Amino acid sequence: DAKTTQPNSMESNEEEPVHLPCNHSTISGTDYIHWYRQLPSQGPEYVIHGLTSNVNNRMASLAIAEDRKSSTLILHRATLRDAAVYYCILRDVSNAGKSTFGDGTTLTVKP
Amino acid sequence: KAGVTQTPRYLIKTRGQQVTLSCSPISGHRSVSWYQQTPGQGLQFLFEYFSETQRNKGNFPGRFSGRQFSNSRSEMNVSTLELGDSALYLCASMTDSNTGELFFGEGSRLTVL
Repeated sequence: DAKTTQPNSMESNEEEPVHLPCNHSTISGTDYIHWYRQLPSQGPEYVIHGLTSNVNNRMASLAIAEDRKSSTLILHRATLRDAAVYYCILRDVSNAGKSTFGDGTTLTVKP
Repeated sequence: KAGVTQTPRYLIKTRGQQVTLSCSPISGHRSVSWYQQTPGQGLQFLFEYFSETQRNKGNFPGRFSGRQFSNSRSEMNVSTLELGDSALYLCASMTDSNTGELFFGEGSRLTVL
């Protein structure tokens, strides 16, 4: 199974952009890149996903490297409510969407 | 639209017992997947069901099993509980597409004494 590698923790100041990196060097052609975040005592929440092209939604942007071996989740203006554990996962469309979670990045946002 | 509902939210069992956890997906979602979350191992995929059929299974022993009913509700069962089975068990549902987003419930926290 393809795995993802993320930094254990990152810090950001409120209202500044945050770039959360993820390495997935063994990604296959049928893997979609998904990002989720998890607040304490809650289940993970979907943030964004993509296959090859960069993606934008109201929550964040996803930048995918040309070789797809890495990606970056971009929060344009971090707020205190963005403090969470962020997971970059690969979902294999050829394998009934089987998901492989990494250890996640704990994002701390300072006021 | 109601979200994914998991019951019970908390439960305590002793070693050797068995436990059944329930998950009601979002209306219209036919896929349900289960995950185990522990501090040491993180989030690990258990299995996924679609239209009452198990489509995928993670690397867990046979003590972990599941099923899905015709109304898409799913249950997972853990038999002969071990201390290491203490974890947050999360259920997620999604639509038919394998590429779509997962909608997670709040989880069932199991403590094995």
